[in-house]
Amino acid sequence: GNSVTQMEGPVTLSEEAFLTINCTYTATGYPSLFWYVQYPGEGLQLLLKATKADDKGSNKGFEATYRKETTSFHLEKGSVQVSDSAVYFCALISGGFKTIFGAGTRLFVKA
Amino acid sequence: DTGVSQDPRHKITKRGQNVTFRCDPISEHNRLYWYRQTLGQGPEFLTYFQNEAQLEKSRLLSDRFSAERPKGSFSTLEIQRTEQGDSAMYLCASSYDTGGSTDTQYFGPGTRLTVL
Repeated sequence: GNSVTQMEGPVTLSEEAFLTINCTYTATGYPSLFWYVQYPGEGLQLLLKATKADDKGSNKGFEATYRKETTSFHLEKGSVQVSDSAVYFCALISGGFKTIFGAGTRLFVKA
Repeated sequence: DTGVSQDPRHKITKRGQNVTFRCDPISEHNRLYWYRQTLGQGPEFLTYFQNEAQLEKSRLLSDRFSAERPKGSFSTLEIQRTEQGDSAMYLCASSYDTGGSTDTQYFGPGTRLTVL
């Protein structure tokens, strides 16, 4: 079945450090891929998405490239801020309408 | 656009009681989804509506769970005879049908259920 695996957290970084959160997927067909973010006390927000191979999604300085050959969709940001502290979820939709989420990766950014 | 709203935000109940949650989607959205999220995990799909029709249900949705969307607008999720294992965050999302399966889903803040 379809599934998403993302790196375990928590990830702790200093402000202005480079961020990578790894995400790999298993899916039949050609999934669409998403990153969602959940700030403390808030609901899930869509961060970025990519709908086909080699597409790059980007938003708020975050980027992720849909890599079909490695079935990956790693999240990156060049310089994190304290305000980026949150839980990040990698997700996919394939052959239907339900979103399959990874377990989430908690990011702490220290000033 | 006021976003997806859910009510109540928190619910504490005793085992065996029935509970009902409400979700109001973004007004022009015709698709509505329910998910459940337990601590330390990602959300898991429960069910999906296109307008008032319930088109897909997860095996997670036991006979004690029922969801409705009677007029194609708001939706309710009822859990009968609650069990401690039902304790979780229940999330609602909505999207607008653009003819594909990649429509962006917008999530509400969730209802946190605690079953004592």
